[in-house]
Amino acid sequence: LAKTTQPISMDSYEGQEVNITCSHNNIATNDYITWYQQFPSQGPRFIIQGYKTKVTNEVASLFIPADRKSSTLSLPRVSLSDTAVYYCLVVPYNAGNNRKLIWGLGTSLAVNP
Amino acid sequence: ETGVTQSPTHLIKTRGQQVTLRCSSQSGHNTVSWYQQALGQGPQFIFQYYREEENGRGNFPPRFSGLQFPNYSSELNVNALELDDSALYLCASSLEGRGTEAFFGQGTRLTVV
Repeated sequence: LAKTTQPISMDSYEGQEVNITCSHNNIATNDYITWYQQFPSQGPRFIIQGYKTKVTNEVASLFIPADRKSSTLSLPRVSLSDTAVYYCLVVPYNAGNNRKLIWGLGTSLAVNP
Repeated sequence: ETGVTQSPTHLIKTRGQQVTLRCSSQSGHNTVSWYQQALGQGPQFIFQYYREEENGRGNFPPRFSGLQFPNYSSELNVNALELDDSALYLCASSLEGRGTEAFFGQGTRLTVV
């Protein structure tokens, strides 16, 4: 499974747009890029997933360039409740049963008033 | 609400004791994975169960063992507890062939003293 690199921490203010970039230079053809959010002492929560170009849902947008060696999670107009750790993972999308996820340290986002 | 429930939420054990943690997967999900998350770290994959069989294991000693039942619920057992086993233990369920999204429970906080 490909390793990912992302900033350890970021600071923002309420109402701002936050962009968290993740590097995954060794991504494989059948890998999807997946982002999770985790609050303290809670399990991670799936945010968004994509393969290429742009994906948008009610929570975030995910931008993936053509070479897929990086991706950017965009959180529009953050609020204090978006303070959390954000994890970027690359996960093989296949018919097999081995879905173990390999997690890095994530990006600790602090949203200030 | 993800539908994955873990019990207990908190637990304190003495070094050398044994512990059993339980997980009820989201309805219809046939795959359960267990992760250990130390403070300030990302989750570390312990093992995965698919249709009651262990299907992939991380770098954990044999004193970490598990079970999956016909209703897809699962147990994680840890024998001969060590102080370093203190962590948040996370259970995640997923459905094969339905993408890469995993649904996590709220975790069990285990403290070994």
